[in-house]
Amino acid sequence: DAKTTQPTSMDCAEGRAANLPCNHSTISGNEYVYWYRQIHSQGPQYIIHGLKNNETNEMASLIITEDRKSSTLILPHATLRDTAVYYCIVRVYGMDSNYQLIWGAGTKLIIKP
Amino acid sequence: DSGVTQTPKHLITATGQRVTLRCSPRSGDLSVYWYQQSLDQGLQFLIQYYNGEERAKGNILERFSAQQFPDLHSELNLSSLELGDSALYFCASSVGQVGTSGGNTGELFFGEGSRLTVL
Repeated sequence: DAKTTQPTSMDCAEGRAANLPCNHSTISGNEYVYWYRQIHSQGPQYIIHGLKNNETNEMASLIITEDRKSSTLILPHATLRDTAVYYCIVRVYGMDSNYQLIWGAGTKLIIKP
Repeated sequence: DSGVTQTPKHLITATGQRVTLRCSPRSGDLSVYWYQQSLDQGLQFLIQYYNGEERAKGNILERFSAQQFPDLHSELNLSSLELGDSALYFCASSVGQVGTSGGNTGELFFGEGSRLTVL
């Protein structure tokens, strides 16, 4: 079962910052948060990941709350090409003694002109 | 282009049939993962191989099987197909295993998927 909760859908105006929230209240201390996105049935694309510190790369920023129960993915200047389903994922230590990415349903982000 | 190649891109077949989906990982990647995505659903993890050995199993049906060959390409075999098996099947690869030590960030590189339609 997914360990994350995300809004089903969100809108954002082109050029503005898109802030995508994710709730992971049952996350354990050594479980990372990953973000991927999927553009119209293409293969998912890695965006960013983090443990407890805020992270930034060329695509986005990841803000994780101090208690680690939630995080926000920020796309600083959204473009129409950022329209996609965004998945917030927790990496867990599975029953097979292996790490697994547990995928939820994601947030459908629509960027409007 | 992720560097992961999947074939075929599209496949239409009938119930009861058997198909094989093929995946070539990125050069140098040892891990291969298979995922199933039904219409408007999230990704369901099926199985993972690392350097030829099965490492993790997810929600994979007994009618499905997979293997990773010495050249690291992988095949997913789906048999006794049912209408409900219609889905996108994604392959992903990574350098090591997700989250292991050795610098693996856990980033997966996905192929473009194989769309299976069972009629």
